[in-house]
Amino acid sequence: KAGVTQTPRYLIKTRGQQVTLSCSPISGHRSVSWYQQTPGQGLQFLFEYFSETQRNKGNFPGRFSGRQFSNSRSEMNVSTLELGDSALYLCASSQTISNTGELFFGEGSRLTVL
Amino acid sequence: AQSVAQPEDQVNVAEGNPLTVKCTYSVSGNPYLFWYVQYPNRGLQFLLKYITGDNLVKGSYGFEAEFNKSQTSFHLKKPSALVSDSALYFCAVRDMSKAAGNKLTFGGGTRVLVKP
Repeated sequence: KAGVTQTPRYLIKTRGQQVTLSCSPISGHRSVSWYQQTPGQGLQFLFEYFSETQRNKGNFPGRFSGRQFSNSRSEMNVSTLELGDSALYLCASSQTISNTGELFFGEGSRLTVL
Repeated sequence: AQSVAQPEDQVNVAEGNPLTVKCTYSVSGNPYLFWYVQYPNRGLQFLLKYITGDNLVKGSYGFEAEFNKSQTSFHLKKPSALVSDSALYFCAVRDMSKAAGNKLTFGGGTRVLVKP
């Protein structure tokens, strides 16, 4: 069974631009979460989607947004990029929400903002 | 609010020696605890979890973890480390409340270096 797929794996943008990252969860998984990983702040929760609805949101500015489609695929968007947005963005999927199962992570999208 | 602390930024161990990576947590109520490992330029891989039951949890690749409620700790252990265990290890806790969904709060990570 295929794992969590994130695209693109690497991308370079300049300040002020916007970026869209994509995540395809494991087949049958309906919950998708996004995390930002940086050397300084570590792993921080961005948001979680389940059944096309945002169920939980971390402490990030409104420039960070996301959505989930009916096939459970998810996208996250960052507008007006800042240098500090350079990070590895990780997507994780789970069968459902509020359960005891583990999250399955993709390999991430590494964003560099110049 | 919940939190996780990994007091050591790096742990160095010789191959064949026991490996321990420390984790302490703070939650209201009973915790769901997890360990993940990250290899360079890769995502996080699940190692093991504690939900309830036995305090000693066995996981992937020979790893185990001991849950200690009185010390609020969940240390990761491996009896005999391999060079291939060199990686970044994360401890995480999940709030059991329904509102929190699947959100994980991660510790800062511990880099493990196993020398031949």
